[in-house]
Amino acid sequence: DIQMTQSPSTLSASVGDRVTITCRASQSISTWLAWYQQKPGKAPKFLIYKASSLESGVPSRFSGSGSGTEFTLTITSLQPDDFATYYCQQYYGSPSFGQGTKVEIK
Amino acid sequence: QVQLVQSGAEVKKPGASVNVSCKASGYMFTGHYIHWVRQAPGQGLEWMGWANPKTGATRFDQKLQGRVTMTTDTSISTAYMQLSSLKSDDTAVYFCARDYFGSGRVFDYWGQGALVTVSS
Repeated sequence: DIQMTQSPSTLSASVGDRVTITCRASQSISTWLAWYQQKPGKAPKFLIYKASSLESGVPSRFSGSGSGTEFTLTITSLQPDDFATYYCQQYYGSPSFGQGTKVEIK
Repeated sequence: QVQLVQSGAEVKKPGASVNVSCKASGYMFTGHYIHWVRQAPGQGLEWMGWANPKTGATRFDQKLQGRVTMTTDTSISTAYMQLSSLKSDDTAVYFCARDYFGSGRVFDYWGQGALVTVSS
């Protein structure tokens, strides 16, 4: 099984900040990586696939990068609606998720 | 528009079974796998498996092998997940999700979730 590890677990930031979340895979997954946003009591929302391809309708302040075992999700100017938990997910093998990164208000 | 609407919350005793449904609309049901993902209270996301509505084929996470069944009914565009021999650590919100690429294991649309509570 491929293990996904996110860091940090919690991130405190202010509106307008640039935020970066890291996701590491236990083995190379090429660019078979997706990112999701989840708010309390809601289903996850699909943001990015193939490490850097933005899903239609997702704001351009979100971007993804990386390949192999190390990936990042960047939010260039944090907006009030962006405070949420973010998950990476690999789909090189049977799907598995990172443990999540909570972006909270500083 | 694409929608996945799940059945409601359930409370079950240990050892019982639970059946969660997921009704799809707004797209060709047979064109996309349906995945099931669960989330224990305050925890992360755990993929459970997928069902191919076109062929009926399924694949499950090996931790759940023998306890989980996933079926689809194309006549009513509905997917079902049954989990048996329930334990307290099966308490979770169970989500169905559509496969973005058809069979690529990326999830673009999600149901609202169904809370299953296992308690004596």
